[in-house]
Amino acid sequence: GNSVTQMEGPVTLSEEAFLTINCTYTATGYPSLFWYVQYPGEGLQLLLKATKADDKGSNKGFEATYRKETTSFHLEKGSVQVSDSAVYFCALPGGGNKLTFGTGTQLKVEL
Amino acid sequence: DTGVSQNPRHKITKRGQNVTFRCDPISEHNRLYWYRQTLGQGPEFLTYFQNEAQLEKSRLLSDRFSAERPKGSFSTLEIQRTEQGDSAMYLCASSSSDLANSPLHFGNGTRLTVT
Repeated sequence: GNSVTQMEGPVTLSEEAFLTINCTYTATGYPSLFWYVQYPGEGLQLLLKATKADDKGSNKGFEATYRKETTSFHLEKGSVQVSDSAVYFCALPGGGNKLTFGTGTQLKVEL
Repeated sequence: DTGVSQNPRHKITKRGQNVTFRCDPISEHNRLYWYRQTLGQGPEFLTYFQNEAQLEKSRLLSDRFSAERPKGSFSTLEIQRTEQGDSAMYLCASSSSDLANSPLHFGNGTRLTVT
């Protein structure tokens, strides 16, 4: 079935640093791809999505481009803030009606 | 939009006991999902309801697990004869449409500890 692999964390950055969290996928066809974020003490929430190849999803300064050539959907942000500290999950439809999530990457941003 | 509500937030039980969790989805959402999350892992799918019909179950859902959504609104997840390996965060999510068009809205989860 469909699956995602994302880089292990934790990733620790200084405020205003550039962020990349890698995500690669294995899928039949070209499913929608998602990034979800879990802030401390909160439930997971959708950060951004891309529904077809070459689409770019963006939200809150984060971006991810659906690249079918490299089967990747890397998450990037040009300048992170302390408030971006969270766990980030790459996800895709896993067949049927479910989302399949990666293992999550914890981001810690320090002053 | 009051969000997805899960109760209780924490549950500690002894091995062999039964536990039941409740999820109240966003009111207009007809799709409801249960996931399980262990430390350092992403959420793992358990089961899916559309209205009151349970349309999909994971192989992870052993016969000790049962979920219901009797009136297509709230849902319950029961674990019978709990084992220490059942210790995890149990997450509920709801949505109004298919995955490509409607995001999953997650609750804060119920943390189960089996001693």
